[in-house]
Amino acid sequence: GNSVTQMEGPVTLSEEAFLTINCTYTATGYPSLFWYVQYPGEGLQLLLKATKADDKGSNKGFEATYRKETTSFHLEKGSVQVSDSAVYFCALRLNSGYSTLTFGKGTMLLVSP
Amino acid sequence: DARVTQTPRHKVTEMGQEVTMRCQPILGHNTVFWYRQTMMQGLELLAYFRNRAPLDDSGMPKDRFSAEMPDATLATLKIQPSEPRDSAVYFCASALSDRSNEKLFFGSGTQLSVL
Repeated sequence: GNSVTQMEGPVTLSEEAFLTINCTYTATGYPSLFWYVQYPGEGLQLLLKATKADDKGSNKGFEATYRKETTSFHLEKGSVQVSDSAVYFCALRLNSGYSTLTFGKGTMLLVSP
Repeated sequence: DARVTQTPRHKVTEMGQEVTMRCQPILGHNTVFWYRQTMMQGLELLAYFRNRAPLDDSGMPKDRFSAEMPDATLATLKIQPSEPRDSAVYFCASALSDRSNEKLFFGSGTQLSVL
């Protein structure tokens, strides 16, 4: 089946530190890959996506590159802010036909001033 | 701003009571999802509808849970009878789906506590 594995949190960083949140996947077909973010008390929001191998998704200073050879889609940001504190979810969706998102369990990021 | 609206935001109830959660998807979206979020299991897909027709509810305990879309502007998730293990945050999400692209818009969730 399809599955997404994320590093366990919480990830605690100081402001302006470099962020990496690891994500690997297994898929029965060819997936698109996503990062969603959940701020406290809110629903998830799409942060970025990549639809094919070697694509790089980027938004709000976050980046992730679709690596088919390592089945990974790690999230990175060069300099985190306190406002980036949230839970980050990696997800995949097969490109064939109608299919639903498969989410990882989420990684909490805590950024201190 | 178009958004998915969920009510109630919080619900505290006693074991055995019926719980109804409501969702108003974004106007024009043709797909509605119900997710449950817990610390242990993360996000679980309970059910989803496309053009108001249920496509998959395999993630939902059938004996106590039911999901419906009486019309295009309302989706409901009912639990009867509720149990303490149902305590979780329930999210509704909507999307305008086609085969090539699907971006989900989530509501703020209903936090359910069953005592």
